Amino acid sequence: ETGVTQSPTHLIKTRGQQVTLRCSSQSGHNTVSWYQQALGQGPQFIFQYYREEENGRGNFPPRFSGLQFPNYSSELNVNALELDDSALYLCASSAGWAAYNEQFFGPGTRLTVL
Amino acid sequence: AQTVTQSQPEMSVQEAETVTLSCTYDTSESNYYLFWYKQPPSRQMILVIRQEAYKQQNATENRFSVNFQKAAKSFSLKISDSQLGDTAMYFCAFMKPSLRGSQGNLIFGKGTKLSVKP
Repeated sequence: ETGVTQSPTHLIKTRGQQVTLRCSSQSGHNTVSWYQQALGQGPQFIFQYYREEENGRGNFPPRFSGLQFPNYSSELNVNALELDDSALYLCASSAGWAAYNEQFFGPGTRLTVL
Repeated sequence: AQTVTQSQPEMSVQEAETVTLSCTYDTSESNYYLFWYKQPPSRQMILVIRQEAYKQQNATENRFSVNFQKAAKSFSLKISDSQLGDTAMYFCAFMKPSLRGSQGNLIFGKGTKLSVKP
C-alpha cells in the first residue's frame, strides 16, 4: 500500500509568482486536506477536498486554491506569492471527511519565497 | 473558536525514563476528538494516539498513554520507557465532529520539541 506522497520536496519562488504543489492520496482514500506549517508553528488548515469538491476552508485568502482529480490526487495553487507564504505545506489523505477517519500525512513540500 | 495550547516549547528526557507532555484546549463543544501527532526531523506527521471525548477511558498505545481530563480541558501525553527514536516535535490537536461542507479539520498547538538523551 503506497502512502501519501507530495511533490516537489523543495521549491524556491520569488514574490509575486505562482506555485502548484501536488499530493497523491493513499490508496482507497477519497479525501485530501491541506495544511500550512510556518517555521516553529503547528500546521494550519487551508482546505479540504472530498470527491473532487471543496469540503471546508480555513482562514486563507482566495489566492490559495485547490483541485482534486478523479483519482483523488490533489493540487494546491498559490497565486501572487508573498514572503509569508514561505512554509512547509502538508497534505493529508483520509477515507472520508468525517472526524473519525484518520488523516495520513505526506512528507510535505518546503516552499521558500524570496 | 477552538484553541490548543502547549505550554512546554522544549523538553528533554533520559532514555528509558518517563516524560509527560502537556496540552490544554478550549472549546464549547461536548463531543470532539483529541490527538497527539509526532513529527520527526523527516517532517512526516505521524499519529501517536487519539481520544474521543465521549469515551471516559484514557487511550493507550503501547508506551504512549494519555490523561484526558474533560472538565479541565486537559489532554497530556505520557511516554514510558523513552527511546532515542521518540526524539521529535509533538503536536496536540483538536477536531470537532464535522458536517459535510463545514470546517472540521485538525487544529494544532504550537508543539513541544522532545529530545531523548542516551
